[in-house]
Amino acid sequence: SQTIHQWPATLVQPVGSPLSLECTVEGTSNPNLYWYRQAAGRGLQLLFYSVGIGQISSEVPQNLSASRPQDRQFILSSKKLLLSDSGFYLCAWSASDNQPQHFGDGTRLSIL
Amino acid sequence: AQTVTQSQPEMSVQEAETVTLSCTYDTSESDYYLFWYKQPPSRQMILVIRQEAYKQQNATENRFSVNFQKAAKSFSLKISDSQLGDAAMYFCAYRSVFSSGSARQLTFGSGTQLTVLP
Repeated sequence: SQTIHQWPATLVQPVGSPLSLECTVEGTSNPNLYWYRQAAGRGLQLLFYSVGIGQISSEVPQNLSASRPQDRQFILSSKKLLLSDSGFYLCAWSASDNQPQHFGDGTRLSIL
Repeated sequence: AQTVTQSQPEMSVQEAETVTLSCTYDTSESDYYLFWYKQPPSRQMILVIRQEAYKQQNATENRFSVNFQKAAKSFSLKISDSQLGDAAMYFCAYRSVFSSGSARQLTFGSGTQLTVLP
């Protein structure tokens, strides 16, 4: 069966520091991969999605970036975090465009 | 652009009773997917149920069922025989069938916090 792993579960970082959140999927190949952010008490906002290695599409302009160095690995990064980057970040995968998305456990990011 | 509206920020239900969560959406597309996701305190997003717009039959998954009214653009979730473990934030979500650009994304409502009373 397919599983999705996301880490770390929680992260506290100072303003201006770099960021790297990692997401990996097991049990499938060539999945669609997604990064979402959830602000407190709000729904999810899509940040990035990828349909293949090295193929990244950005939905919202921001100081975050994403990379997909391997088929089942999706990384969310920042060179300099802002206070507004605080939130809950969720990685998701789907087998294809018309299949449901399945989410990881999320990362709670706090910026001090 | 599509929008999803959940007009009930909070709902409560007595254990073993039935509760219905409302969701409406706005789209100009004729075919699409609708989902209900559950987010318990652990914050994990769990797919509850999925409906394809071209299917007239309402989707069901055990105690969870939907009332899909395409003309009214309404997609409510009914939870029967509510259990304490059903307590969570429930999100309604929309996705286009088109597979290009931003159509791939899920558009979420703002959520309904469901409390189950013992």
